Amino acid sequence: SSELTQDPAVSVALGQTVRITCQGDSLRSYYATWYQQKPGQAPVLVLYGKNNRPSGIPDRFSGSSSGDTGSLTITGAQAEDEADYYCNSRDNSGDIVVFGGGTKLTVL
Amino acid sequence: QVQLQESGPGLVKPSETLSLTCTVSGGSVSSDSYYWSWIRQPPGQGLEWVGYIYYSGRTNYNPSLNSRVTISVDTSKNQLFLELRSVTAADTAVYYCARVFYAAYSDAFAIWGQGTMLTVSS
Repeated sequence: SSELTQDPAVSVALGQTVRITCQGDSLRSYYATWYQQKPGQAPVLVLYGKNNRPSGIPDRFSGSSSGDTGSLTITGAQAEDEADYYCNSRDNSGDIVVFGGGTKLTVL
Repeated sequence: QVQLQESGPGLVKPSETLSLTCTVSGGSVSSDSYYWSWIRQPPGQGLEWVGYIYYSGRTNYNPSLNSRVTISVDTSKNQLFLELRSVTAADTAVYYCARVFYAAYSDAFAIWGQGTMLTVSS
């Protein structure tokens, strides 16, 4: 399969914890990589590999993986975390990159 | 600090060829530590991978675009190029270039350009 499935929208109360998931068969072989995109801006890398954060990404962002599902968890969501979140991975051939459809996170 | 800047015509007529340039500063397109990719995002929609090119020149493309797309680099100018032939309105999107590294079973699109809007219309 070459598809990655994300919930279209998720909401979280300010300061609470939220998990955003990415499901696809290829995630049994690859880790999901995660991006944050705010309106009118380019995406920003927030997590890669098993649970690696680039410099400058707050440690409230963490990643995990189980079976065919990768997850991005925000512990203590802040107002500035409201954004679209995308995952990506390779497909099962290993040659093709695929992106999930994106999840719109609303912080209430 | 590596920066990427996309540039293009802004408007292309249906059936014509789209040509975009990504100028890289602060780093080299010929580095073997990274590869380079184009991604697009139609208005109000999600991200779509277009293709990538390695320092060796090896390329791979989205199967949905494979017959119409070519990605290349000019190492002397430190630029990345995208050519998309026979465009239709469905190719209207913001086009991004990105520097990518592969680590720990994941592709990390670590540095993105600001994107360039391309509209296909007569």
